[in-house]
Amino acid sequence: AQSVTQPDIHITVSEGASLELRCNYSYGATPYLFWYVQSPGQGLQLLLKYFSGDTLVQGIKGFEAEFKRSQSSFNLRKPSVHWSDAAEYFCAVGARQAGTALIFGKGTTLSVSS
Amino acid sequence: EPEVTQTPSHQVTQMGQEVILRCVPISNHLYFYWYRQILGQKVEFLVSFYNNEISEKSEIFDDQFSVERPDGSNFTLKIRSTKLEDSAMYFCASSGQVTNTEAFFGQGTRLTVV
Repeated sequence: AQSVTQPDIHITVSEGASLELRCNYSYGATPYLFWYVQSPGQGLQLLLKYFSGDTLVQGIKGFEAEFKRSQSSFNLRKPSVHWSDAAEYFCAVGARQAGTALIFGKGTTLSVSS
Repeated sequence: EPEVTQTPSHQVTQMGQEVILRCVPISNHLYFYWYRQILGQKVEFLVSFYNNEISEKSEIFDDQFSVERPDGSNFTLKIRSTKLEDSAMYFCASSGQVTNTEAFFGQGTRLTVV
């Protein structure tokens, strides 16, 4: 079955501390992987994506993610969290062919404490 | 920067009424999608649309739902007879290339069925 698992429902991180959000996937074909962020009442903004090549990808807002095929993981990281990073983060997987569904995880809510 | 726009941002409707949610995808994109997110749950794929026909749909997308591209710019989702459980945030998305599923999402329409 195709699925995305984000094991952490809610994470609280102190401002300035590092962050890692976990994502594991199960997908039959070569996966295209994405991280989206959703601020309260807002839409989904693409943070970064992995299609092929270098397994460490850089995104917007200082985020990066590492694809590990052997672990079926695509964890999101940021070295120093800012209060404005508080939001919900969704990992998603899709196929190479456009027009197919993105499968989303249930999301991880990030709170940032001062 | 081009973006996907959705109208209205919030719609309240009575159970049994028909609603049409509107989206203007990014102008040179070829694939269009609808997703929904029931409050507190994950984002779920409804349907994708390419070349004036549905290319993929989920089991959620039953006969109550339909999509249309009535002109060169708009992409609509119609729910024929709304139910309470249709209350959700509905996201439109579009993608431009055949060989990847990178989708750009709109801000969403919050549909409340009362």
